[in-house]
Amino acid sequence: AQTVTQSQPEMSVQEAETVTLSCTYDTSESDYYLFWYKQPPSRQMILVIRQEAYKQQNATENRFSVNFQKAAKSFSLKISDSQLGDAAMYFCAYNTGANSKLTFGKGITLSVRP
Amino acid sequence: DTGVSQDPRHKITKRGQNVTFRCDPISEHNRLYWYRQTLGQGPEFLTYFQNEAQLEKSRLLSDRFSAERPKGSFSTLEIQRTEQGDSAMYLCASSLGTGPGQQAFFGQGTRLTVV
Repeated sequence: AQTVTQSQPEMSVQEAETVTLSCTYDTSESDYYLFWYKQPPSRQMILVIRQEAYKQQNATENRFSVNFQKAAKSFSLKISDSQLGDAAMYFCAYNTGANSKLTFGKGITLSVRP
Repeated sequence: DTGVSQDPRHKITKRGQNVTFRCDPISEHNRLYWYRQTLGQGPEFLTYFQNEAQLEKSRLLSDRFSAERPKGSFSTLEIQRTEQGDSAMYLCASSLGTGPGQQAFFGQGTRLTVV
């Protein structure tokens, strides 16, 4: 069974600083996708960044980047120049196969200190 | 298009009552997913549709749960004889295309409280 583990329940970062959120996963598949989703309080979940497993290059989206270590099954999210609007729950997720259903971790609550 | 919409946003019901939730996906999206999220947990997959066909159901979806997507447009999720353990946020998501890696767009969810 595929599992996604986010071991840190909460993290805090000073505004304008950099923070890294950790995620590990377990799968026997060779072709899969990894995602980070952001869920602000009382708002819908939105995609932050996506990584294809067969691509060695780490994905980046503006201030967001990932460190994808396929052999270690690790997929961490780095947020640079943190902003107050980055405060939210962040979920690491995985999918594979034809149905594209997502398997999520438990999430991490990120707070940003002004 | 304003994205995925869900109705109602909140529902309080007495144990034993039936409830029905609605999801309107992004109009051209062929795939629609239902997830359940309890406090402090990530969303868990319940079921998904490709167009009007329900192609997979999780073991979490007991016989009291039923989902439909008539004509491949909006979807409904019904829970019969609700129990306190059904209290959760029910999320709907839609995506376009086939295969893995497609971006899922989520609605704001329906928060169900069973008293």
